[in-house]
Amino acid sequence: DSGVTQTPKHLITATGQRVTLRCSPRSGDLSVYWYQQSLDQGLQFLIQYYNGEERAKGNILERFSAQQFPDLHSELNLSSLELGDSALYFCASSVDPTGRNSPLHFGNGTRLTVT
Amino acid sequence: AQTVTQSQPEMSVQEAETVTLSCTYDTSESDYYLFWYKQPPSRQMILVIRQEAYKQQNATENRFSVNFQKAAKSFSLKISDSQLGDAAMYFCAYRTPTSGTYKYIFGTGTRLKVLA
Repeated sequence: DSGVTQTPKHLITATGQRVTLRCSPRSGDLSVYWYQQSLDQGLQFLIQYYNGEERAKGNILERFSAQQFPDLHSELNLSSLELGDSALYFCASSVDPTGRNSPLHFGNGTRLTVT
Repeated sequence: AQTVTQSQPEMSVQEAETVTLSCTYDTSESDYYLFWYKQPPSRQMILVIRQEAYKQQNATENRFSVNFQKAAKSFSLKISDSQLGDAAMYFCAYRTPTSGTYKYIFGTGTRLKVLA
């Protein structure tokens, strides 16, 4: 168990809808990362937060947004969903990034299916 | 820009044998970190091993070891005494340590099959 909690595990919704994915990082970790993994693909970095502030942005669509709350949990909001948004969405956390050796610890992912 | 390349989409190994998965990366930085992650059919991402670029000694974790060649920008993973439970996708990842942007860059993965 990595200590990173993602909810829900599965989500099925229709095109055009909006969903919210939730992530609680490991105790003590201040950084949260969101990744998208489409079927049989690698991980695409979406966005990173550190202690409530956006720190880095990757290939995140304008229809997607995220935030990290004071209690350090994070939410990824996906709106105007399209079939191509169907994927496994991972949240990962790490300790203070200024540390010399802070690997990512991944949650079990949320599988999103858009029909 | 940093890139990570895994040139072997799929590899097979006989149970109890040894297999090496390749990873190369491109960077202009001198201090960074490298990781191997395993993704079994459950799709969970599991950290296998890590390597700091400033350390010359290759990292080892039980049956897993790396061959880190900094000049060649190569970071291969060796799995000894392969077991059926080792069957998974393996991702190589590069992490930049700079204080600005803490990006992890993943390769496209190598699917490892273990034959009984």
